[in-house]
Amino acid sequence: GDSVTQMEGPVTLSEEAFLTINCTYTATGYPSLFWYVQYPGEGLQLLLKATKADDKGSNKGFEATYRKETTSFHLEKGSVQVSDSAVYFCALTLGGSQGNLIFGKGTKLSVKP
Amino acid sequence: KAGVTQTPRYLIKTRGQQVTLSCSPISGHRSVSWYQQTPGQGLQFLFEYFSETQRNKGNFPGRFSGRQFSNSRSEMNVSTLELGDSALYLCASSFGTGGRTDTQYFGPGTRLTVL
Repeated sequence: GDSVTQMEGPVTLSEEAFLTINCTYTATGYPSLFWYVQYPGEGLQLLLKATKADDKGSNKGFEATYRKETTSFHLEKGSVQVSDSAVYFCALTLGGSQGNLIFGKGTKLSVKP
Repeated sequence: KAGVTQTPRYLIKTRGQQVTLSCSPISGHRSVSWYQQTPGQGLQFLFEYFSETQRNKGNFPGRFSGRQFSNSRSEMNVSTLELGDSALYLCASSFGTGGRTDTQYFGPGTRLTVL
């Protein structure tokens, strides 16, 4: 079935380090891809998305490129801050509604000053 | 504008009871989706409602049901509660049109504990 696999956490980095969180997917169709973030004690927030191959989503210094050939959507940030500490979820949806997201297990990121 | 609201925020029930959770979407949104979040299984899709009709359904037993009202507010019901139903239940709303700009916005969740 359709699924999302993302790297296991937790990931611990020092402030200003480079971040990569890997995400790959399996889908029977042509999915839209998302990164959501869950800050401590808060709900899920959309971080960025891409709806077709080679699209690059970006927000708050985070970027991810939809790679159809490698079925990947890796999240990157050039210089993380303590405030980026959160759980990051990769997700996909098939079909037009975007109302049924399939999530990865989540990767917890801790950034130390 | 106001975000997605969910009530109650916390709930404690015992096995065998039933529970109803409520979700009020962002004004103008017609799609409401429900998700279950647990440490073991992560985030799993329960169902999506659009204009009072169930549009998509995840792989959950029939004890989990939902409905949507004409004002787009949604409720989900879990009957005959089991210990494994303890979870954070998240609601998300969107316009439901599926366009490139359509985005799901999540509520803060209802934390259900089954004893």
